[in-house]
Amino acid sequence: NAGVTQTPKFQVLKTGQSMTLQCAQDMNHNSMYWYRQDPGMGLRLIYYSASEGTTDKGEVPNGYNVSRLNKREFSLRLESAAPSQTSVYFCASSDGPGGQETQYFGPGTRLLVL
Amino acid sequence: SQKIEQNSEALNIQEGKTATLTCNYTNYSPAYLQWYRQDPGRGPVFLLLIRENEKEKRKERLKVTFDTTLKQSLFHITASQPADSATYLCALDGSNAGNMLTFGGGTRLMVKP
Repeated sequence: NAGVTQTPKFQVLKTGQSMTLQCAQDMNHNSMYWYRQDPGMGLRLIYYSASEGTTDKGEVPNGYNVSRLNKREFSLRLESAAPSQTSVYFCASSDGPGGQETQYFGPGTRLLVL
Repeated sequence: SQKIEQNSEALNIQEGKTATLTCNYTNYSPAYLQWYRQDPGRGPVFLLLIRENEKEKRKERLKVTFDTTLKQSLFHITASQPADSATYLCALDGSNAGNMLTFGGGTRLMVKP
């Protein structure tokens, strides 16, 4: 099992460009998450999908959109990238929603917006 | 709003000693607390979960305590090894809608041989 996979691993964008970060999990998990990690800020939740067909905003959703394509895949889209979105993005999944569930993380996507 | 505090300064200890990391929280009463390990350039990996009615939990050389009165969790690694060097994150189930996990900023542990 690959667990949680993310593509791309690294991306450089110019301000105003758009891109989609892809995430897939092969653990048959119901819930999926997108986080960003900045130095000294810890992991901050952008969006989550408690189950297939649902998505909800997290702590820092502005400037992002998500799509739960099916049970396996959860994508994050930046419509018009800004330098403030330079960060490391992690996708995670868990069997169910909520803080009692263990989350499994992907390797991350490092995004630089110039 | 809820706040989670972990020592942002790195903790340096000698191999074989016990490492103790602290996670404090305010304005909040979580039902669950989790600890994760993160190595440079990689995603966090789950270590332990402790519930509010559990005072202590152990797994091999790891021990976690959860004091809901002090609003604090301590994470101990006994007989530490250089391979234990990493950043350790605590996470609490959130007071937000959906009770999603909220993560602390993490503490970097350096174990020197």
